[in-house]
Amino acid sequence: EPEVTQTPSHQVTQMGQEVILRCVPISNHLYFYWYRQILGQKVEFLVSFYNNEISEKSEIFDDQFSVERPDGSNFTLKIRSTKLEDSAMYFCASSGQGAEAFFGQGTRLTVV
Amino acid sequence: GDSVTQMEGPVTLSEEAFLTINCTYTATGYPSLFWYVQYPGEGLQLLLKATKADDKGSNKGFEATYRKETTSFHLEKGSVQVSDSAVYFCALKPAFGGANSKLTFGKGITLSVRP
Repeated sequence: EPEVTQTPSHQVTQMGQEVILRCVPISNHLYFYWYRQILGQKVEFLVSFYNNEISEKSEIFDDQFSVERPDGSNFTLKIRSTKLEDSAMYFCASSGQGAEAFFGQGTRLTVV
Repeated sequence: GDSVTQMEGPVTLSEEAFLTINCTYTATGYPSLFWYVQYPGEGLQLLLKATKADDKGSNKGFEATYRKETTSFHLEKGSVQVSDSAVYFCALKPAFGGANSKLTFGKGITLSVRP
């Protein structure tokens, strides 16, 4: 069964450093997303991406964040200068024409 | 804006007990409704969905019915198992946002099932 894969599963970084979280969406999907879940809180939308453009972004997704689809398979989330409050589980998701989104296993980002 | 409200948790049940997890929503029109499950150490998995009023989504013994009149999508299972222990999230996708519109999640509720 096709699945969304994310790497790494856990990333520890120092405050102020840049991190890149990687995702391989399901191959025939067209729509891509990043969500995050701060420990103990709800899953929050960050950004959606379609046709090589951001479709929608939340207020969380400020200038420190960027997304890219550098080739035909990867979808990345970059945080330029990490802050302690960026520590969270980051989920990548993709969807096709149907309503449901399929999520990856998540990357746990710890900023120290 | 859109919102999803789930009952407060955690919930602890004995094996074979009946489960209800409440979910209500606020949204314009007829959003699509989902339950996602997160097993320990894993990502979010779609459990079931309903895309129009009175639809019933079902999977793995779980059911939820889309009730427009009460704006609810409560999750039920007649007999829970230890393996159902997980975090359950109710979510909606807006009716008018297009194919790539975002999901809005509830806070999630942790279910623990004792043998």
